[in-house]
Order: sequence, then structure tokens, then C-alpha cells
Amino acid sequence: AAGVIQSPRHLIKEKRETATLKCYPIPRHDTVYWYQQGPGQDPQFLISFYEKMQSDKGSIPDRFSAQQFSDYHSELNMSSLELGDSALYFCASSTRDRGIHGYTFGSGTRLTVV
Amino acid sequence: QKEVEQDPGPLSVPEGAIVSLNCTYSNSAFQYFMWYRQYSRKGPELLMYTYSSGNKEDGRFTAQVDKSSKYISLFIRDSQPSDSATYLCAMKGATNKLIFGTGTLLAVQP
Repeated sequence: AAGVIQSPRHLIKEKRETATLKCYPIPRHDTVYWYQQGPGQDPQFLISFYEKMQSDKGSIPDRFSAQQFSDYHSELNMSSLELGDSALYFCASSTRDRGIHGYTFGSGTRLTVV
Repeated sequence: QKEVEQDPGPLSVPEGAIVSLNCTYSNSAFQYFMWYRQYSRKGPELLMYTYSSGNKEDGRFTAQVDKSSKYISLFIRDSQPSDSATYLCAMKGATNKLIFGTGTLLAVQP
């Protein structure tokens, strides 16, 4: 079965650079969530989109922005990168009517800021 | 104080042992309670979920929720080396965003 696809798998950036992470949800999933998991930390919710509109916002820095496109894929744009942004970034997708039953995570993008 | 507290471990047990993993929470609005398993460098994988107090069993896994005490548990029977992973509890309220515990690293020794 198709899963949530994230790209790239690994990314190394320098401080103050910009990074773009991509997420391709499971076909027919209408909701995308972004989470940030620092080293040894629990995943922290960043932002979510339902039908291309922002549906919920968590602890996402102002330097980050995200959007969901017409094909339902989502991109997380991160600017003025800081060392503390080094983390595993997960995307999850679901259908709103199935809620937690269909909530599936991708394998994540590991971002390293040097 | 975090909304969800979980002992990070690590927890090391011999193969065949019964494992008990626990989380406490403070937000009474949480309606769904989940356990995720996360292997190294992989995304969290949903193991079990429940939305009411009581027990739910699935094979070797039993999830237990006590809403009055704001306490949830995951029991793994006959633990296997392949169960070695980080186990995260997660909870959600009215929205679909998940609030995770810090995860417990479990090692099952053959």
C-alpha cells in the first residue's frame, strides 16, 4: 500500500540558509500534519492543513511557513536556519472523517544545520 | 509541566518478559489515547488506540486507560527482540493534532 512520502530523506544546510521539505500524503488523504522531533525529544506538532487550508497551528517558528497544494502535497519552508532547527521532521496524513484511524506518518526528513 | 509525561527509560528486559509502559497526562480534554512504535530513523507507527477507560487487547499487546487517574499503560506479553524500539504514547482532543510523550526506549535481549 502507498505510504506517506517525504523528501529529501536527509538534508544538510548551513546556518542562515533556507530549506524546503516536501510531503506527499497517501492518495485520497485530505489532511497533512507536520511534526518536529529533536534529538531524544518527542514529536512536536508544527502545523496542519485540511483541503489546502491551514487547519491548526502549533509551535511553528515565524521563520517557518508551510502550504498544501492542489494535489494535496505539502511543503515546509524554513528560512534563516539555526543550529537548533536540526531535527527529524515528520509529515503525517489522514482523512478528516477517519481521524486517528487513518493517521499515518512518513519516515521523516533528517535536517542537520551546521 | 508537559501535558503528557512518559518515563524515557531505557528499559531492558529479557526475551519473553512482560513489559509495562506508562504515561500520565494532565489535560482532561484528551479523548483518544494512542501508542506508537518508532524504530530508529523511521516514522512513528500506530500500534493501538482507545478512547474509553478500560482495556483493549490486540495479540500480545494490551492498552489500558484510566481516565479518572489520567494514566495509560501498554503491556507487551512474551516480548521479542523485534519489539526493541521506542514506544511513544500520544493523545488527542477535539482536533487531530497529537500530543506525544517523550517515548520509552525498550531493548528486549535475546
